[in-house]
Amino acid sequence: QKEVEQDPGPLSVPEGAIVSLNCTYSNSAFQYFMWYRQYSRKGPELLMYTYSSGNKEDGRFTAQVDKSSKYISLFIRDSQPSDSATYLCAIKSTGTASKLTFGTGTRLQVTL
Amino acid sequence: NAGVMQNPRHLVRRRGQEARLRCSPMKGHSHVYWYRQLPEEGLKFMVYLQKENIIDESGMPKERFSAEFPKEGPSILRIQQVVRGDSAAYFCASSPPAREDTQYFGPGTRLTVL
Repeated sequence: QKEVEQDPGPLSVPEGAIVSLNCTYSNSAFQYFMWYRQYSRKGPELLMYTYSSGNKEDGRFTAQVDKSSKYISLFIRDSQPSDSATYLCAIKSTGTASKLTFGTGTRLQVTL
Repeated sequence: NAGVMQNPRHLVRRRGQEARLRCSPMKGHSHVYWYRQLPEEGLKFMVYLQKENIIDESGMPKERFSAEFPKEGPSILRIQQVVRGDSAAYFCASSPPAREDTQYFGPGTRLTVL
């Protein structure tokens, strides 16, 4: 079993739709949660990070963490064609380990 | 404030040659991380360095791969005697001290081994 599972998609939605992207993880030591956006042939761009259960909002993006279920989500409201990219969840454990463990990414396509 | 810089952006090597990938962290960042992304796979951690120190190299292959972050100059990821399986995108990230949860990535170096 992978430490972080993420549906690879592709996910295709019309412009203006609400998008839900999800990851599950297996290790309860994971305590820090990040979402990155990666455009084709570019580096990942940090979108949001959180370390507590609940919701965190930033503009059209909301990150949600449920530690009891080991489930994290990213919601995108009013999706735009410019949101078309691969979205990667990344998780870090507590303690001295500094590496991020990534999901494989979900490819999102927002159509006109 | 310039972001993380990596060069070259594209590198072509023949089997058996050496590849050197360079990374300059963001200003004020003293922690550097290297990740590898294979086609259709997620990013995999390779190594974490601070100035003149390797902190965690648990993701580095035992042979042919090495990394350094000297007191002056960029971090270097070196791959000796490259093989076709080394073809991938290599990303460098940096973070400020004590903020390993906020890693900012560079544009990557795409290595192709012929």
